Amino acid sequence: GAVVSQHPSRVICKSGTSVKIECRSLDFQATTMFWYRQFPKKSLMLMATSNEGSKATYEQGVEKDKFLINHASLTLSTLTVTSAHPEDSSFYICSAPFRTDTQYFGPGTRLTVL
Amino acid sequence: GNSVTQMEGPVTLSEEAFLTINCTYTATGYPSLFWYVQYPGEGLQLLLKATKADDKGSNKGFEATYRKETTSFHLEKGSVQVSDSAVYFCALRELGGTSYGKLTFGQGTILTVHP
Repeated sequence: GAVVSQHPSRVICKSGTSVKIECRSLDFQATTMFWYRQFPKKSLMLMATSNEGSKATYEQGVEKDKFLINHASLTLSTLTVTSAHPEDSSFYICSAPFRTDTQYFGPGTRLTVL
Repeated sequence: GNSVTQMEGPVTLSEEAFLTINCTYTATGYPSLFWYVQYPGEGLQLLLKATKADDKGSNKGFEATYRKETTSFHLEKGSVQVSDSAVYFCALRELGGTSYGKLTFGQGTILTVHP
């Protein structure tokens, strides 16, 4: 089946630095990808929709200048957390739609900001 | 807007017990409904889905029926196994337009099955 990968799987950074997370569709093309944030024992919160060749669409309340999204190609979307702070520590997950009514999720990236 | 509500967890069962995880939704129009499962240390995987009223999704012994009249999509399994221990998410997908592929998730239900 279709596979979506994320890199890195875990990252620890200092407060004030920026962190880039990659999401790749390995065997299919994705003009759209989604970025979610998952809090402990909570649901996935959609942050933004990444669109290949155009600007990302952010959900209400998500700071687009803090969470920069770039969909550089049909198989790669990146999420950059700029000037990270401890409250940005979370589990970030991407997904990509494949055909109709099917989405494939990446394994997630655990971000810890010290 | 759309929303999904799942029963509060965690749910703890003995092996071979019957499982029900309730899920209700609110949506405009007629969304597609999904159950996703997240095993420890892994990403979300699609467990089953239903795209219209009265459809029954099934996979790995799990079933859920799209009930439009009660706006529900409860997950059931007749006999759970230890390997079913995971977090289960109910979700809906908006139809068409700029919302293509956008999923709205419930809060997740942690299931633990003991031998």
